Amino acid sequence: EAQVTQNPRYLITVTGKKLTVTCSQNMNHEYMSWYRQDPGLGLRQIYYSMNVEVTDKGDVPEGYKVSRKEKRNFPLILESPSPNQTSLYFCASSLNSGQYNEQFFGPGTRLTVL
Amino acid sequence: QKEVEQNSGPLSVPEGAIASLNCTYSDRGSQSFFWYRQYSGKSPELIMFIYSNGDKEDGRFTAQLNKASQYVSLLIRDSQPSDSATYLCAVRRSYKYIFGTGTRLKVLA
Repeated sequence: EAQVTQNPRYLITVTGKKLTVTCSQNMNHEYMSWYRQDPGLGLRQIYYSMNVEVTDKGDVPEGYKVSRKEKRNFPLILESPSPNQTSLYFCASSLNSGQYNEQFFGPGTRLTVL
Repeated sequence: QKEVEQNSGPLSVPEGAIASLNCTYSDRGSQSFFWYRQYSGKSPELIMFIYSNGDKEDGRFTAQLNKASQYVSLLIRDSQPSDSATYLCAVRRSYKYIFGTGTRLKVLA
């Protein structure tokens, strides 16, 4: 089944404890992206990657890191999480960086930072 | 001013009616426009996209784009209770996607 998977789905952590949220897709997609969704602020793009080893900042990259060493994986790293990073996170992928491609979203990761 | 603006709703329509959802955007460099549907607790799913001025129809859904007015809309004909969800408008600018905050639609049986 074609899909985007994220792990973990739920995570409660404490301020300053490094964490990684994994994202994997099995559709051979080139373009991958991370979003956070907050009430009243909608979905905001954190980082995106157009292909292996090519990443760039979205609109809210502060406090996050990403890497794209393999085509299928695009982990999101929070090196020192803070409470304002409590949010619902979505990973998404699309065929390539063309303008008209559908993004397929993962199921989401709900992160709480205490 | 937000780059992509939507009325948060809720927009309530009776079953069988036409639901009209609106979105405005501020950057004239925006290239393509997407409508996603998001059920509560779920991830967004694409309904349709549009990139040329005019209308684009897909089943009960019609997207309308007016680049001069920087306006994109989604019409849902014969609305069903199963259409009750939040509808997200997104614009593509360069390699980025900018989403609106969504409009909550309630279809009343």
